[in-house]
Amino acid sequence: SQQGEEDPQALSIQEGENATMNCSYKTSINNLQWYRQNSGRGLVHLILIRSNEREKHSGRLRVTLDTSKKSSSLLITASRAADTASYFCVQTDSWGKLQFGAGTQVVVTP
Amino acid sequence: DGGITQSPKYLFRKEGQNVTLSCEQNLNHDAMYWYRQDPGQGLRLIYYSQIVNDFQKGDIAEGYSVSREKKESFPLTVTSAQKNPTAFYLCASSSKPQGAFDGYTFGSGTRLTVV
Repeated sequence: SQQGEEDPQALSIQEGENATMNCSYKTSINNLQWYRQNSGRGLVHLILIRSNEREKHSGRLRVTLDTSKKSSSLLITASRAADTASYFCVQTDSWGKLQFGAGTQVVVTP
Repeated sequence: DGGITQSPKYLFRKEGQNVTLSCEQNLNHDAMYWYRQDPGQGLRLIYYSQIVNDFQKGDIAEGYSVSREKKESFPLTVTSAQKNPTAFYLCASSSKPQGAFDGYTFGSGTRLTVV
């Protein structure tokens, strides 16, 4: 299984602080994606990083990928209350199917 | 606007009944997927379809059935054979080919409760 593991499982920060979460995976990948899920809602695609990329930015999001360590990190800068959600690191297998971890629950308090 | 629509948002079912969850997309995506999410966990793949009139079992297909008669629609039936059907169900779609893959689009989910 390519199921990844996010770390930490939960994270609580104050508005304005940065939030960092990490993800490890087991096998080689074509790409790695991060998704956000607000409570009881569908998932929203945040960013995709390909295996030949090391870093990618999108607004306040920064994703890194270290294929030698089979790990990725997601950094949310200047967090807002609206960033409160679960964040999933997801790998794509050769069939294009997604392999999910349990996610990191982020709570941003005003 | 293009997107995926899942209905209903909430569904209650009595034990022993079959129930069908709807998933419709107008994104012209070839591939569609059904996932199940349990509290505090990631998503697990139930079924997927990469083209009309074809579908494949995912990791937890037992007790579920699907059809893909139209490109836009991928309904999921939760049968009475599913032992623990209470969960949050998410439908997703993606464009092909996989080499140009840029992410999945998810519906807003259906919460199924067996009473």
